[in-house]
Amino acid sequence: QVQLQESGPRLVKPSETLSLSCTVSGGSISGDYWSWIRQSPGKGLEWIGFTHYSGNADYNPSLESRAAFSVDMAKNQFSLDLISVTAADTALYFCARRFCSGTSCIFDFWGQGIPVTVSS
Amino acid sequence: QSALTQPASVSGSPGQSITISCTGTSSDIGAYNYVSWYQHHPGKAPKLMMYDVSTRPSGVSRRFSGSKSGNTASLTISGLQAEDEADYYCSSYSSSSTRYVFGTGTTVTVL
Repeated sequence: QVQLQESGPRLVKPSETLSLSCTVSGGSISGDYWSWIRQSPGKGLEWIGFTHYSGNADYNPSLESRAAFSVDMAKNQFSLDLISVTAADTALYFCARRFCSGTSCIFDFWGQGIPVTVSS
Repeated sequence: QSALTQPASVSGSPGQSITISCTGTSSDIGAYNYVSWYQHHPGKAPKLMMYDVSTRPSGVSRRFSGSKSGNTASLTISGLQAEDEADYYCSSYSSSSTRYVFGTGTTVTVL
């Protein structure tokens, strides 16, 4: 059973960089696509993007200019950097595995989420 | 900004059936049979409850069923149980540059 766990600072100052990591256990990070999804207070979920150990990645256009993913095979971990954050980036951040069978893709394993507040 | 519209809350008594709707557009729900549903108990990892509109993953109760008509998908929970009390989110693949869109979320309350 694949398990994911988010980690990182829970308080970030405006204009700084939000950096989160997701550690994968129970399976290898290679061969799959790994996603970041967030939930802003009082709002629904928002797909941030996904990444692959090969370097292939896709981003939500609304965040593409500020987001960057990376993968650490040695730690079986992938990460999100979001630069120039504002209060609008305050959210519960989830990491998840994107699994595809043919053209059908799902987010089948998720982390518990990590709350991040942007405030001075 | 969420692209799929769900009712904020739905409630029912134990044993009853409830249905959660999820309304999108002809670019997402209306265009693909790639609708999925997730159950989220606060503080826990979201759980996949349905995919490809009406396919239940292994281990998910048969009390959960999914359907779609036009631009609207639905998740029905029959024989409502206390453990079903949670937030539910729909999701769909989209032909827009935002490849995956999610719903606004529905809080299910068991009375």
